[in-house]
Amino acid sequence: SQQGEEDPQALSIQEGENATMNCSYKTSINNLQWYRQNSGRGLVHLILIRSNEREKHSGRLRVTLDTSKKSSSLLITASRAADTASYFCATVTYSSASKIIFGSGTRLSIRP
Amino acid sequence: GAGVSQSPRYKVTKRGQDVALRCDPISGHVSLYWYRQALGQGPEFLTYFNYEAQQDKSGLPNDRFSAERPEGSISTLTIQRTEQRDSAMYRCASSSSGTGYSGANVLTFGAGSRLTVL
Repeated sequence: SQQGEEDPQALSIQEGENATMNCSYKTSINNLQWYRQNSGRGLVHLILIRSNEREKHSGRLRVTLDTSKKSSSLLITASRAADTASYFCATVTYSSASKIIFGSGTRLSIRP
Repeated sequence: GAGVSQSPRYKVTKRGQDVALRCDPISGHVSLYWYRQALGQGPEFLTYFNYEAQQDKSGLPNDRFSAERPEGSISTLTIQRTEQRDSAMYRCASSSSGTGYSGANVLTFGAGSRLTVL
């Protein structure tokens, strides 16, 4: 079962522009994580935000969390060709605090 | 080891055969997870372990699927009597945190085992 739903499913932007993708989830969470996957390879962890946090930064990444709306967003600033990948949100819920459920992903393409 | 190692990387089998997929997690990692990923989709949770204990197997599709981690390190995912619908990428991940409510279960993934059932 999928806990998170990413929006949009696909996004194509010009290099240098900012990319924003969203994740909505259904049940209360302990934390939410974002992962990147390049061309069917293994997933790589990007950033984690806890339920009591509202915003977090890591380099060109900015993540926000709105627990009242059960949603999160991932912003990638000044996009580069190397950012072309699929991005997944993953949630850890209070009811099963070690079970990590992934969403369906956003496919990001950066045009040169 | 330095990373999560999965074997075989590719497995082609005939319908009805049993297959065993192996995962060697990062040394010392408490938690080990199995996911299945179809092309263009997100990883689908199958099961996870803390040490040798299987904590949740709710994602296993049916009783042909089983997993074990007898010594709390290497894990094997076994699929009996394979069917064509079992064809997918099977991904293993490990995490250093096994205590649930600490909330910091960051996953390190292996490269995956691609299973094709003919």
